[in-house]
Amino acid sequence: DTGVSQNPRHKITKRGQNVTFRCDPISEHNRLYWYRQTLGQGPEFLTYFQNEAQLEKSRLLSDRFSAERPKGSFSTLEIQRTEQGDSAMYLCASSPGRDRPPYEQYFGPGTRLTVT
Amino acid sequence: RKEVEQDPGPFNVPEGATVAFNCTYSNSASQSFFWYRQDCRKEPKLLMSVYSSGNEDGRFTAQLNRASQYISLLIRDSKLSDSATYLCVVNNARDDKIIFGKGTRLHILP
Repeated sequence: DTGVSQNPRHKITKRGQNVTFRCDPISEHNRLYWYRQTLGQGPEFLTYFQNEAQLEKSRLLSDRFSAERPKGSFSTLEIQRTEQGDSAMYLCASSPGRDRPPYEQYFGPGTRLTVT
Repeated sequence: RKEVEQDPGPFNVPEGATVAFNCTYSNSASQSFFWYRQDCRKEPKLLMSVYSSGNEDGRFTAQLNRASQYISLLIRDSKLSDSATYLCVVNNARDDKIIFGKGTRLHILP
């Protein structure tokens, strides 16, 4: 399977714990995006990378959230001191990131986080 | 005005019928537009990009109206398998902001 992969698929954690999610983009896609989606809502943009550079962060991304893409390949999203409001589906997408739009994105299956 | 707005539906449509829905966007600098399909508890999947000249892919037709700032999706001869949520996506290339609508739910009835 050469699509976007995410691990774990499901994560249940207690409030206050730290969690880390991983995303492996489609090979040679240099753009990688993180989104959060809750029931009945569209995906909300969190952040994105062009290669290893983090180019934009949403205001939704509080200080408890951090994302990295150290070698320009896979990325991790860490949430520290989780809160119940963090419960959501965390989606990763990648894009070829050509110099010009349109930037079609291809999504992974997501990581469903439940904070108890 | 929200950046990207869609009628949440649900649209309940008999099989074989034609259905259309619109998506409006507020930023006139938006440059790229897409329709994604999302099945229940699954990830969004790219359905089609929307080009200025409009484009068609089988039973699906997408159009862009820059003057009125909306895009549309038309589904002809609807199938039961078309039941899903359809997400409108708008990208402003200037600041690379990508905005998803909340989606329109479509139910195709047998």
